[in-house]
Amino acid sequence: DVVMTQSPLSLPVTLGQPASISCRSSQSLLYSDGNTYLNWFQQRPGQSPRRLIYRVSNRDSGVPDRFSGSGSGTDFTLKISRVEAEDVGVYFCMQGTHWPPWTFGQGTKVEIK
Amino acid sequence: QVQLVESGGGVVQPGRSLRLSCAASGFTFSSYGMHWVRQAPGKGLEWVAVVSYDGSNKYYADAVKGRFTISRDNSENTVYLQMNGLRAEDTAVYYCARYYNYDWSCTPDYWGQGTLVTVSS
Repeated sequence: DVVMTQSPLSLPVTLGQPASISCRSSQSLLYSDGNTYLNWFQQRPGQSPRRLIYRVSNRDSGVPDRFSGSGSGTDFTLKISRVEAEDVGVYFCMQGTHWPPWTFGQGTKVEIK
Repeated sequence: QVQLVESGGGVVQPGRSLRLSCAASGFTFSSYGMHWVRQAPGKGLEWVAVVSYDGSNKYYADAVKGRFTISRDNSENTVYLQMNGLRAEDTAVYYCARYYNYDWSCTPDYWGQGTLVTVSS
């Protein structure tokens, strides 16, 4: 199984400042079709997960452009250009290249300082 | 609008069974595969099972293989998770989530609100 490792696990940030979350996979997520199936989800307190980013860098509909995804192979990053209060929550990366199983990172808790 | 509504959770004794349901609306259910993903209290996300759009393909996590069964009824727009031989470690919020049939990676793009299963004597 592919192991997904996120860092940091806790990220205190100041409102208006940038934030960055790292996700590393134990195997390359590049598939033979040329796509890399790395996704990011946001889970606000008390809510279900919401997909933010698919295939490394594609934002879902309605996701603010302050969220961006990048990376390749085994190293990926989710960036928030200017953190807002509504961004508080836990962020998970998930791989969809080597399945089953589909595997998630441990989650990174973003909170306001 | 897209809606996925889970039901069937509750408190159950170890070794007993429970069946979860996920009722879908607001989209063409038969064009989407469905996952069950769980989250133990205060923990991360763990994939449990998936069924293809037509029910012909199913996969399970090793932790539930042989105990859980995923199924779907496209006439009722509902996906099910039959859970037998429940253990304390199955305690979690169970989410259903859809993925578009033509997405090879089966990545969930919309999740329900979840239903809590507590396994305790």
